[in-house]
Parts: sequence; C-alpha cells; structure tokens
Amino acid sequence: EPEVTQTPSHQVTQMGQEVILRCVPISNHLYFYWYRQILGQKVEFLVSFYNNEISEKSEIFDDQFSVERPDGSNFTLKIRSTKLEDSAMYFCASSGPGYSPLHFGNGTRLTVT
Amino acid sequence: GDSVTQMEGPVTLSEEAFLTINCTYTATGYPSLFWYVQYPGEGLQLLLKATKADDKGSNKGFEATYRKETTSFHLEKGSVQVSDSAVYFCALSDRNNNAGNMLTFGGGTRLMVKP
Repeated sequence: EPEVTQTPSHQVTQMGQEVILRCVPISNHLYFYWYRQILGQKVEFLVSFYNNEISEKSEIFDDQFSVERPDGSNFTLKIRSTKLEDSAMYFCASSGPGYSPLHFGNGTRLTVT
Repeated sequence: GDSVTQMEGPVTLSEEAFLTINCTYTATGYPSLFWYVQYPGEGLQLLLKATKADDKGSNKGFEATYRKETTSFHLEKGSVQVSDSAVYFCALSDRNNNAGNMLTFGGGTRLMVKP
C-alpha cells in the first residue's frame, strides 16, 4: 500500500536556525497537510495545501512557517527561525479528493535546543 | 469551534478484556468521525471511520457507531490483544470546502494491554 514518507525521522537544531522538514505524499493525492504534536499534547492542524497554494492554516502557522511543493512530489515545511516551543513531532499527511481519509507519515521529531 | 474530547488514559487491560474508549464531539455542521491509532514509534493510521449518523465503522475487531443524538463515537473491542497497545485518537472533519478533509483531534488515549 502506498505510504507517506517523511525525512528525517529526527532533527536537532539550535534556536534561531532554519529547518526544512520533508515529505513525499502519496502520488495521486491532491491535498497535503502538516500537523504537529507537542509532547503530551493534542495533534494540532498547521496547514493544508491544494492546487499549489495554501487552502487553510491555523493560528500556529505564523510568518515563521512556510510550505512548498517544489517539484510535484515533495512537500516541505520550513521554519525560518526556530524557537524552543517549536520542539514537537511534525506529521505530514495527504488525501485524495473530497472526504477521502488522511494518510499520515511516521513523523519527524524536531528538537530545538 | 469544533472540538473532540476523549477519556484520559492510560487504560490498562488484561488480554481478552472488553475495551471502551469514550469520545464526544462538538461541531457546527455534520462531521465525519474517525479513529486513528498510533503504535509506538509510528505515525497515525486510520483505524475506522463513519460519515453519517448511525453509521458503524469497523476494522480489526474494533467498532464505533456515530451517535448524533449523544454526539459520541465511542470505540469498542470485544477482546483486546497485547498487540493493540497503542495510542488511540478520535477525530472529526466537517469541512466541505477545498481544504480537503481537515481533522480536529482529541487528546489521545493510551491503551496498555497486559498478557
């Protein structure tokens, strides 16, 4: 069965540094998402992406965050200047049209020191 | 706004015991409801879903029925196994715009099954 793949599985970075989290969604999916889960807390929606643009974003997704689908297969999340509170597990997901279920990757654990 | 409330864990059961994990929701529209499972070290996997009132989702022996009158979607399994040990997330989606199937999650319930 096709999978959503995320790299790296664990990323450690220093406060103020830029990080890029990478995802390869399922190839025929149309919608792409980033969610995050701070340790011990709920899984939170960050952003959805459709037709090469952001379709919805949460309050968490401020100017420090950006997403891109640079080549038709990868889907990236960039954090420009990381803060300690950005430490979390970041999940990429993709879905087909309409109410198709989301398929999640295994996540990237981001640790900001 | 939309919200999902799950019973807090951890839930610890012996093998072959009956499992119930409660989930209630608030939503402005007519949401679709989901249960996702997260095994240790892995991502979120869709376990089952229901898209309208009175629908029953089922998979791998787990069941949940969409109860609009009580705004609930409780997860049940008649006989749990050690391999069911995981974190279970209830979620809803009531989007019908081009944002796709955006989800609102509950806090997750950790299930530990002992042999």
